[in-house]
Amino acid sequence: NAGVMQNPRHLVRRRGQEARLRCSPMKGHSHVYWYRQLPEEGLKFMVYLQKENIIDESGMPKERFSAEFPKEGPSILRIQQVVRGDSAAYFCASSPPGRGSTDTQYFGPGTRLTVL
Amino acid sequence: SQQGEEDPQALSIQEGENATMNCSYKTSINNLQWYRQNSGRGLVHLILIRSNEREKHSGRLRVTLDTSKKSSSLLITASRAADTASYFCATPGAAGNKLTFGGGTRVLVKP
Repeated sequence: NAGVMQNPRHLVRRRGQEARLRCSPMKGHSHVYWYRQLPEEGLKFMVYLQKENIIDESGMPKERFSAEFPKEGPSILRIQQVVRGDSAAYFCASSPPGRGSTDTQYFGPGTRLTVL
Repeated sequence: SQQGEEDPQALSIQEGENATMNCSYKTSINNLQWYRQNSGRGLVHLILIRSNEREKHSGRLRVTLDTSKKSSSLLITASRAADTASYFCATPGAAGNKLTFGGGTRVLVKP
């Protein structure tokens, strides 16, 4: 029973390029969450998705960032025209259908994005 | 201040000693969760305590929750070098669909 999978684990981009981060939730989980962690800080919520729906994107920057969770395939966090300030660890979490994050969220290993 | 702030920010102890860290939050909650993060890794869920619970145990972990003071504590007993990590408390939002994390407590257990 694989846990939450994220790839790539490390991603290096130059300023202005696009970054695509992928997350496959645990089997049977239909809720996906993306968080961002800056060095020496806690995680900050970005977006919460269910299959084909964005439920809460209150933590997502208004520009350059987008997320999707299609009917088939992994959830994608996309950052266009990356800037140095986007350098961070991006974590995906999932939870089973039902009550959302009222209960435990299961985290992936993260993608560490470095923008040169 | 943000929801879910940990105290202290860093803690250094000898193997075998107990480690205690605290978390304060601001709004009403259904539950409070503690996570561990080893350096450069993802988060591992440790324990969830619901708002109607005052204390919960899991192995060498003991968590308390005081809803009147809006605070929680995590105690690690008989610490081991492998307990070296950052520990975060997290609370679900009002809509119950996202977690708000504190800044974490970095624990160093010296062998």
